[in-house]
Amino acid sequence: DVKVTQSSRYLVKRTGEKVFLECVQDMDHENMFWYRQDPGLGLRLIYFSYDVKMKEKGDIPEGYSVSREKKERFSLILESASTNQTSMYLCASRPFERFLRLPGANVLTFGAGSRLTVL
Amino acid sequence: DAKTTQPPSMDCAEGRAANLPCNHSTISGNEYVYWYRQIHSQGPQYIIHGLKNNETNEMASLIITEDRKSSTLILPHATLRDTAVYYCIASTGTASKLTFGTGTRLQVTL
Repeated sequence: DVKVTQSSRYLVKRTGEKVFLECVQDMDHENMFWYRQDPGLGLRLIYFSYDVKMKEKGDIPEGYSVSREKKERFSLILESASTNQTSMYLCASRPFERFLRLPGANVLTFGAGSRLTVL
Repeated sequence: DAKTTQPPSMDCAEGRAANLPCNHSTISGNEYVYWYRQIHSQGPQYIIHGLKNNETNEMASLIITEDRKSSTLILPHATLRDTAVYYCIASTGTASKLTFGTGTRLQVTL
């Protein structure tokens, strides 16, 4: 089974702190994603990465940055945490389309999530 | 991604079939219908996807109308463990991202 592991399930940080959320996948997937989930808003894409050292902004990148130095690891960085970044953060990965066995199988595998509280 | 519309919540008795509807009236010819679910305190989990034909796997069945403007996810014998939020997404197979809405909260009861 593909596993996507997020380093922390629960974090509590103070306003202004630098926060690192780590995500590791063990199936050699090229694509990785960071979403945040808030009540009533569903999942919103923050950043994604096609491959090592490549990144693309999602729908809500403001206040966030990412790092993909190794294929298996995708880090989300909050340079200066603010209270409006209190949320559930979800990491996901996906193999590059040409390796998918099923046509149209745009299948993401998610981690369990990291719940961040910024005080 | 084409916009999808789902009811915010549904109830289902354990052992009965759960039929979750989804409207996607503006879906384009190369967009698939994907279903994911999210059990409380976990990340979303892929269930099934389809383009035109009905699909079935070990988790569920997907029925897509002939005009492709709507679909139904069927859990044939719902159990308490199927209580979750179910997301319907219309997107191409090679889209760079999937857009999740707010989904349908399915409550399975005894």
